[in-house]
Amino acid sequence: EVQLVESGGGLVQPGRSLRLSCAASGFTFDDYAMHWVRQAPGKGLEWVSGISWNSGSIGYADSVKGRFTISRDNAKNSLYLQMNSLRAEDTALYYCAKAIHDYGGNPLGGAFDIWGQGTMVTVSS
Amino acid sequence: EIVLTQSPGTLSLSPGERATLSCRASQSVSSSYLAWYQQKPGQAPRLLIYGASSRATGIPDRFSGSGSGTDFTLTISRLEPEDFAVYYCQQYGSSPWGFGQGTKVEIK
Repeated sequence: EVQLVESGGGLVQPGRSLRLSCAASGFTFDDYAMHWVRQAPGKGLEWVSGISWNSGSIGYADSVKGRFTISRDNAKNSLYLQMNSLRAEDTALYYCAKAIHDYGGNPLGGAFDIWGQGTMVTVSS
Repeated sequence: EIVLTQSPGTLSLSPGERATLSCRASQSVSSSYLAWYQQKPGQAPRLLIYGASSRATGIPDRFSGSGSGTDFTLTISRLEPEDFAVYYCQQYGSSPWGFGQGTKVEIK
């Protein structure tokens, strides 16, 4: 079964750090680009960051650039998001998502066909 | 940055009716890199359409996507009870990638 399982969320004070993990199974992890998407309570979806299969291409939303770092370990079939200098507005459910191949050559892949169930991050004092 | 604007915000329809959802981009979306997702309460989003008009695996043919450039449409030909949900468009043609604000399809 194709599956993504996020972990690492929790309650954290403003200015502190948190590291999210996403464990992949049921597909060849190192064949695909991966992404993080978040959703604040009662709000819409916001793309956070993406990484190509070999970590050669990485992108970030402007709202997290310089504070968040995406990485992956293909040997462990795992995706990570290191979140530093957290703010109240980072409070959200964080999803990891697998991108479909883009045969047009986009290293960050295409649309997201597999999603995890998310891990909740709450930034509050 | 490409901004996606979805309309209407809420669509009130009855089962069996046709739903037409719009997604307008502030700039042309390259190579029709436009996707549509469905999200139900308490669930992760589900990919419906990619490349503006290609149905994802397992998606019923009552869902169809069309459009190019800056104007895209998701059509549900005959609403089934399980189709009442929130729908998001997404562009993945240029960084930063982004989503529209969503259209809620509710039972009238």
